[in-house]
Amino acid sequence: GAVVSQHPSRVICKSGTSVKIECRSLDFQATTMFWYRQFPKQSLMLMATSNEGSKATYEQGVEKDKFLINHASLTLSTLTVTSAHPEDSSFYICSAETRTSGKGGEQYFGPGTRLTVT
Amino acid sequence: QKEVEQDPGPLSVPEGAIVSLNCTYSNSAFQYFMWYRQYSRKGPELLMYTYSSGNKEDGRFTAQVDKSSKYISLFIRDSQPSDSATYLCASSGSGGSNYKLTFGKGTLLTVNP
Repeated sequence: GAVVSQHPSRVICKSGTSVKIECRSLDFQATTMFWYRQFPKQSLMLMATSNEGSKATYEQGVEKDKFLINHASLTLSTLTVTSAHPEDSSFYICSAETRTSGKGGEQYFGPGTRLTVT
Repeated sequence: QKEVEQDPGPLSVPEGAIVSLNCTYSNSAFQYFMWYRQYSRKGPELLMYTYSSGNKEDGRFTAQVDKSSKYISLFIRDSQPSDSATYLCASSGSGGSNYKLTFGKGTLLTVNP
């Protein structure tokens, strides 16, 4: 149980184009999904928190107009990198949270999407 | 000071060794503690999830949390080459509608056959 998928796993795009990454919880409903970014040999940096049916909450320093997040259903969140530039090249990982009443949520991570902007 | 500190290693051990991985944290509000394993170019995999102080065991893995000293540990017994990965500790608080994780930098572990 608690499987999260991401699509695509790898994408190469040209500078100035937009890229959409999908994150799905396959066997559970996730009211909250998180988007992270990870540079080589670095830890995960939280970009935004996505709640189903409401606007995403972005971390300080993350441009909301550049990284568009849509949480359309309890099993799907998307991250769109708009007008991508080479500095946006990174490993993007989503996670989905299971929640048991009164407990801190356990987060299950997708396999990640490697974005390369040329 | 980062909220979660973790020695990045690298740590190299022979197969069968007992591995000890450690983190410290500074935020007294943290109540939930997790260990994730991340293989190269993959997403993190949840290994252990604990609440407050105490020990939790799952197979060859034991997680310990000491809230008095703000110390988190993961022990791996009978380590295997397949355990070679980066291990990330993470903590979160309670309350509110979200439980954001704060990660350590990760420790790169290599188990040599």
